[in-house]
Amino acid sequence: EAQVTQNPRYLITVTGKKLTVTCSQNMNHEYMSWYRQDPGLGLRQIYYSMNVEVTDKGDVPEGYKVSRKEKRNFPLILESPSPNQTSLYFCASSLLGLNTEAFFGQGTRLTVV
Amino acid sequence: TQLLEQSPQFLSIQEGENLTVYCNSSSVFSSLQWYRQEPGEGPVLLVTVVTGGEVKKLKRLTFQFGDARKDSSLHITAAQPGDTGLYLCCTNDYKLSFGAGTTVTVRA
Repeated sequence: EAQVTQNPRYLITVTGKKLTVTCSQNMNHEYMSWYRQDPGLGLRQIYYSMNVEVTDKGDVPEGYKVSRKEKRNFPLILESPSPNQTSLYFCASSLLGLNTEAFFGQGTRLTVV
Repeated sequence: TQLLEQSPQFLSIQEGENLTVYCNSSSVFSSLQWYRQEPGEGPVLLVTVVTGGEVKKLKRLTFQFGDARKDSSLHITAAQPGDTGLYLCCTNDYKLSFGAGTTVTVRA
């Protein structure tokens, strides 16, 4: 089954404790991206990657890191989480090109206390 | 400032009623996509509109792209509880940019 898998689904952590949210896709997509979703703000892009070893900042990259060492994986790293990073996070993948369909994971609800 | 403005923000209707949600911008787009997000899930693509004035139908859902390619609307006929969800419009020119969405609740 074609899918994007995120882990974990839920995470509660403390300020400053490094964490990684994993994302994996099995569709051989070149393009992968991370979004955060906050009430009233919709989905905002954090980082994206057009292929292995090619990553770039989205609209809200501060406080986040990513890596793309393999085509299928695109982990999101919070080196020193803060309470304002409490949010619902989504990973997505798609073929590279205009108007392609984006496939989303089921989301990771992160709470930083 | 959102590039795409969606309205209304919330919409609650009775089963069987019709509804329309809007996606507007001051910019011209080559295309627009509509996604639906159900609670606890990620967004799922409903449709892509690419031509000014284009109308696409998906069962009871009708999507229209404005003639000037600055706006789009989604009309649902005879809404059902299964239509409940967050409806998001977005542009996809190698980067997805979303509106804030319209939360639709259809009461049985």
